[in-house]
Order: sequence, then structure tokens, then C-alpha cells
Amino acid sequence: EIVLTQSPGTLSLSAGERATLSCRASQSVSSSYLAWYKQKPGQAPRLLIYGASSRATDTPDRFSGSGSGTDFTLTVSRLEPEDFAVYYCQHYGSSSWTFGQGTKVEIK
Amino acid sequence: EVLLVESGGGLVQPGGSLRLSCAASGFTFSTSSMNWVRQAPGKGLEWVSYISSSSSTIYYADSVKGRFTISRDNAENSLYLQMNSLRDEDTAVYYCARWRAQGKMHTFDYWGQGTLVTVSS
Repeated sequence: EIVLTQSPGTLSLSAGERATLSCRASQSVSSSYLAWYKQKPGQAPRLLIYGASSRATDTPDRFSGSGSGTDFTLTVSRLEPEDFAVYYCQHYGSSSWTFGQGTKVEIK
Repeated sequence: EVLLVESGGGLVQPGGSLRLSCAASGFTFSTSSMNWVRQAPGKGLEWVSYISSSSSTIYYADSVKGRFTISRDNAENSLYLQMNSLRDEDTAVYYCARWRAQGKMHTFDYWGQGTLVTVSS
């Protein structure tokens, strides 16, 4: 079973700063099956990025995804107030779906 | 507008049973694969179960295998999760989510707002 490890656990930044979130897989995975979600308190997760680098409908272009193999990155070029949330990476493979433990982006 | 509305959550004693429902609208439910994903209080997301559009393929996480049963009624645009032998660690918000596998897209693209299940004596 593939394990996804996200780092850091918490990222303390100010609005306007750049955020870089990491997702590392325990073994090489297909980028086609790597997605990122955003979750705000009391809300359901929302799809941001699929296929490691493709933005979902309504995802602002300040969000970008990259990576391959075991290392994937979600970047927010300039944080807006609504971007402070928890972000999860997720992988599908071998009839199983796994999530990373999440990275919280908080206001510094 | 796509809507997924879960219901059926509540307080149940350990060892008890509960049936969750998810009412779908705004898309062609009968051709969509569906899932249940849960989130324990203050914790991350955990996939629970998958069902294909025709119910021909079903998967479960090891943590619920043998205790939970996923099903669907395409005529009613509804997804279900029968939960038996509930444990304290099953306490969570349960989300239904559509699985989209098309081209490069393999993701949970729509989520409900969730229903809270609390297992406690």
C-alpha cells in the first residue's frame, strides 16, 4: 500500500507570500492518479489539482501542481485570505485510495 | 448544479448499526462511480468504500471490510452505506464523493457536505 507523506505539517505565512507544499509517495506512482484538495473548517474538501498538474474548473491560476515519481508539489504563488486552509494530496492505485495527512496553511 | 446530500448520521452505541444515505442530483448518477470517505474529528481524510456505476465492482478499506456494505439505487439516484458492528474509531464525518475517471482525470470531483456518525456509549 502506498503511503503519502505531506510536509510541512503546518505552514505559517502571510497573505501575498508564496506557499510550497510537498507530498512524497512511499513508492513511485503515476502522476495521472495524483490529486490535491483544499479543505476549510466545517466544509467538504474541494478538488484543486488533478493529474499532478492540471487545475480543476474554478481553481485560480495562482495554484500550480508539479512533480513525478515519488515527489509532488503544490505551489500557491501569492496567498489570498481564502487560501488559508488544509491541503491534502491523494493517490489512486490498486483498488485503493490514499490521502496524505494534510498540510495546514495558517496566517502568520 | 451538482448536489450530494448525505443523511442518516447520529449517535450509536458500540456494536450498533447505522445506514447512511447520499442523495445525488445535477449529474447522471447511473453512470458515475461513487465513494464514501470519512474524517475523524480533527483528523485527515480516509477513503472507506467504492462502488462502480453498475454495482459490479466494490472495494472497501481494510478498516471497514466485513462490517460495512456499500450499495446504490440508480433509479433513486441514491448511494448507501450500511455500517454494522460499529466501533469508537468509526466516529467521523462521512462524505459521499463522486469518482471521475476520464482521460487524465482520476479524482473525487464532487463531494457532499457530510454526515456525522458518533459511536459512543
